[in-house]
Amino acid sequence: DARVTQTPRHKVTEMGQEVTMRCQPILGHNTVFWYRQTMMQGLELLAYFRNRAPLDDSGMPKDRFSAEMPDATLATLKIQPSEPRDSAVYFCASGLDGSFYEQYFGPGTRLTVT
Amino acid sequence: GEDVEQSLFLSVREGDSSVINCTYTDSSSTYLYWYKQEPGAGLQLLTYIFSNMDMKQDQRLTVLLNKKDKHLSLRIADTQTGDSAIYFCAEKDFQKLVFGTGTRLLVSP
Repeated sequence: DARVTQTPRHKVTEMGQEVTMRCQPILGHNTVFWYRQTMMQGLELLAYFRNRAPLDDSGMPKDRFSAEMPDATLATLKIQPSEPRDSAVYFCASGLDGSFYEQYFGPGTRLTVT
Repeated sequence: GEDVEQSLFLSVREGDSSVINCTYTDSSSTYLYWYKQEPGAGLQLLTYIFSNMDMKQDQRLTVLLNKKDKHLSLRIADTQTGDSAIYFCAEKDFQKLVFGTGTRLLVSP
């Protein structure tokens, strides 16, 4: 049963600290997405990759967020320095691009910045 | 960019039918999708419809597509408390999905 995995599931940190979230996409999928979900803003697309190449990160605050795919089995989202307004649930999703396109979501990382 | 809109909330009683509506902007979308998000979980594909279809039925779910008005709806028959969740419609825009704002469905006993 292939699934997208995310670590950690929960993270509480103090303002100013660095936060790294990790995602393992489903083997064979060629697209990876990072989303952020809050009650106020809903689901926001932060960045996405195709064949490990970054395609669009216009949804991310550039000065503090960075997203990478060091290899096909790992995607990372880093926040440095973190701020209370970054508190949200961060989802990773992967999929195999095609005419019919299904995205598989991970369980999310719930980030709280105090 | 693409914009997919939904109403934010829907409240129904158990056993009633629920209808969740969505409007989209890209008429070239080949497929349109409905995703479901249960509490504490990520989104999961619920159903979809091919753009040359008007209707698709899948057990208690009926998807209606009006391409002329760019309107998509999801009907859930005999709604159960377990159907309480957030429902997102989505269309494909190049190499990504554009999700709607999500409709929070609350089913009361």
